Parts: sequence; structure tokens; C-alpha cells
Amino acid sequence: AQSVTQLDSQVPVFEEAPVELRCNYSSSVSVYLFWYVQYPNQGLQLLLKYLSGSTLVKGINGFEAEFNKSQTSFHLRKPSVHISDTAEYFCAVSGPNSGGYQKVTFGTGTKLQVIP
Amino acid sequence: NAGVMQNPRHLVRRRGQEARLRCSPMKGHSHVYWYRQLPEEGLKFMVYLQKENIIDESGMPKERFSAEFPKEGPSILRIQQVVRGDSAAYFCASSSSGEQYFGPGTRLTVT
Repeated sequence: AQSVTQLDSQVPVFEEAPVELRCNYSSSVSVYLFWYVQYPNQGLQLLLKYLSGSTLVKGINGFEAEFNKSQTSFHLRKPSVHISDTAEYFCAVSGPNSGGYQKVTFGTGTKLQVIP
Repeated sequence: NAGVMQNPRHLVRRRGQEARLRCSPMKGHSHVYWYRQLPEEGLKFMVYLQKENIIDESGMPKERFSAEFPKEGPSILRIQQVVRGDSAAYFCASSSSGEQYFGPGTRLTVT
């Protein structure tokens, strides 16, 4: 079984300030980790993913995340946010791909509000 | 290459009616997933299908909900006798062998 915890439901931050969105996971098998962004009334867009290799993963729009196995965390960071980053962010975990099937479990989401 | 298409984008049904949600996967993708997003919650897995086969429906409610992915045409998520609690956003995602690509969702409102 796998689960994802996003403790912060809302994160307000001033424009051009740094931000960290927290994500912790639990899984009994090796994991793949993802961050998705959802803009209002839209579907999910993949920001970045960790499959293996370097624990620091860089994604689109200047976001990055670090996989920490000992702390079972995969926090998302951006050094300087823009108004356009206002959206909801979902952390997700899956087990290894099995015959093309990859069951993904999502966290409850963190709403990032960038304040001008 | 068009992305994952879902229609309708918005659907209003009265209690007791049927809702049919359609998902056209990306070209070349033979795997489809359906998720439900209730207000203020994350996405919950419902069902995973390959062409003509339901592989994992562990997230589907036992009654009133069904899904199919025929050899030709889109995948369909069908909800019979809708109730107010079915109001949610329903997303489908498709993949070829790994990463899932999401559609824009269908927002179902039951009045």
C-alpha cells in the first residue's frame, strides 16, 4: 500500500519570494514520485518526476524537488515565485510500472497563492 | 498530436438520471485511467482499462458505476441513477507504457 501526505492545504507567499511545498510518502516498495500542477478548471500537468538516479530533480517553470529516502519526503521548491504560479499542486506516488500499469496515489493538494 | 480529450466539459444531471462521460486517449495510447476529484480533495483512482479489458476497478463504487474502453471509440464512464454525492470532477488519463497524461476533466453537477 502507498500513501501521500501534504500537510499544508494552503500556502500564501509574496511574489518573488521562495516557496517550499511539503510532501511525505509511505510505500512498501520502491517508488516513483511526481508533482503535478492544476490551474483552475483544468486538468493536471506534470511538473517533474523522480524515477531513479539523482535525488535532485528539476522540472518545468523553474521548480525542483529533492527525493529524501531516509525522511520519505519529496518537497517541491522554487527560489522565486510569480503570480502565474498560483495554482494547486499535487504530490503523487506510484510503484514500479507493471506491464504498462502504473497505479498512482495522489495527495490532497496544496493551494499556492502568490500575493503581489 | 492532440492531447487527451474529454467531453462534455460540464454536465448537469438531475438526481436519478444517467451520466455518460467520454475520454479519447492520446493517439497511440492503449491504457486509460479514470479518477474522481471531490471538492477540496485530491484525485482518487477509480479504474484502469486497456482496450476491451478492465484491468483494475478497485476504486470504483460497487453500484451504479461502470466503465468501458471498446476496441473502437472513446472510453466511457457511466454513472446510473446519479445522486448529489456524485457531483465531482472526473478526469481521465492515458498512457502508452508509463507516464500518464491527463485530460481537462468533466465537471458533473447533480441537482
